[in-house]
Amino acid sequence: QKEVEQNSGPLSVPEGAIASLNCTYSDRGSQSFFWYRQYSGKSPELIMSIYSNGDKEDGRFTAQLNKASQYVSLLIRDSQPSDSATYLCAVKDRGSNYQLIWGAGTKLIIKP
Amino acid sequence: SQTIHQWPATLVQPVGSPLSLECTVEGTSNPNLYWYRQAAGRGLQLLFYSVGIGQISSEVPQNLSASRPQDRQFILSSKKLLLSDSGFYLCAWSVRSSRERYEQYFGPGTRLTVT
Repeated sequence: QKEVEQNSGPLSVPEGAIASLNCTYSDRGSQSFFWYRQYSGKSPELIMSIYSNGDKEDGRFTAQLNKASQYVSLLIRDSQPSDSATYLCAVKDRGSNYQLIWGAGTKLIIKP
Repeated sequence: SQTIHQWPATLVQPVGSPLSLECTVEGTSNPNLYWYRQAAGRGLQLLFYSVGIGQISSEVPQNLSASRPQDRQFILSSKKLLLSDSGFYLCAWSVRSSRERYEQYFGPGTRLTVT
């Protein structure tokens, strides 16, 4: 059974600090990874995709991928109260052409 | 740019009643389409996906069905709703070609409460 695991949280971070969200996956051969943000009562929104080992930066967001250790993380710099949301990690299922395997999400709370 | 629409936004239905949720995508052709359900405080459960008109794959056996009558239209249906069908229903699309074909983009969702 292929799995994507996330700490459910909540993760509480003071405003202006760095929020670090982690995700581990079971299929060592996975190649494609995604981070989504979901505000309460809203649909998920794609933040980042990452395919290669290392870091990928987009504004205040940095995705980090380590395939050898089978984890992917999302760093949010200068955290703002508007970053408070649930962050979902998804991994492309190698056994399917299109499907993603989803983590249950980590709830992030940014405290002013 | 691409846009995905879902309606209705909220729905309250009695047990045993039928269901029809609709999703349409604009600004792209030949998308892959997906129906997910998210129970309160839970992760995403894939219900159906479609790679083309009339082509539906079911991931979870249940009293729901899906149809794709047009390229950019995806419909979720039920003949008789159960209490356990309550949840947040999300339609998503992805591009069928190119490196980014795995990225999925979600509609606003339909919150269904079965009473």
